[in-house]
Amino acid sequence: DVKVTQSSRYLVKRTGEKVFLECVQDMDHENMFWYRQDPGLGLRLIYFSYDVKMKEKGDIPEGYSVSREKKERFSLILESASTNQTSMYLCASTLVSSNTEAFFGQGTRLTVV
Amino acid sequence: QKEVEQNSGPLSVPEGAIASLNCTYSDRGSQSFFWYRQYSGKSPELIMSIYSNGDKEDGRFTAQLNKASQYVSLLIRDSQPSDSATYLCAVKFNKFYFGSGTKLNVKP
Repeated sequence: DVKVTQSSRYLVKRTGEKVFLECVQDMDHENMFWYRQDPGLGLRLIYFSYDVKMKEKGDIPEGYSVSREKKERFSLILESASTNQTSMYLCASTLVSSNTEAFFGQGTRLTVV
Repeated sequence: QKEVEQNSGPLSVPEGAIASLNCTYSDRGSQSFFWYRQYSGKSPELIMSIYSNGDKEDGRFTAQLNKASQYVSLLIRDSQPSDSATYLCAVKFNKFYFGSGTKLNVKP
């Protein structure tokens, strides 16, 4: 069965902390994504990776960076957490083929205080 | 920037009725189209996918695609209270682009 696993379901961090959100998929997918979801704004793409060590900025990359050292793992890094980064973070993965859906992790609810 | 537009709702329908959810997209090069259902506090789960013009049926769900009009819709027949959720339209063009979702309420 397809599985995308995010390291934490809930996370509370302090302003200014460096935060790591981890995502692991077991489907050998080439493409992985990080989204944030806020009420009324839908899913907004933060970063996209199409291969190991390859990444592309999404629509809202400011304040974030990513790392993909292995195919199955895609990490989102908040360099210095701020309260406006309080959100639900969703990781997803998919095959390169156009006719395949995105599979989502369970989400991480991050609160920055 | 590629855009996917949905009416945010809420869309309220009585139990047993047909719910109709609509989505438009801006990029004519879009290749694949998906409908996801998302319950509050949960991650999105795939309901339907559609790749070519016309209708695709799966149980109570029918997806409709019109590439000329850049329009994709989801019909839910015999709506149930358990269908109450937010429905996200997604368009794939290398990456996935999501609409902001339509909140559906099915009243018993």
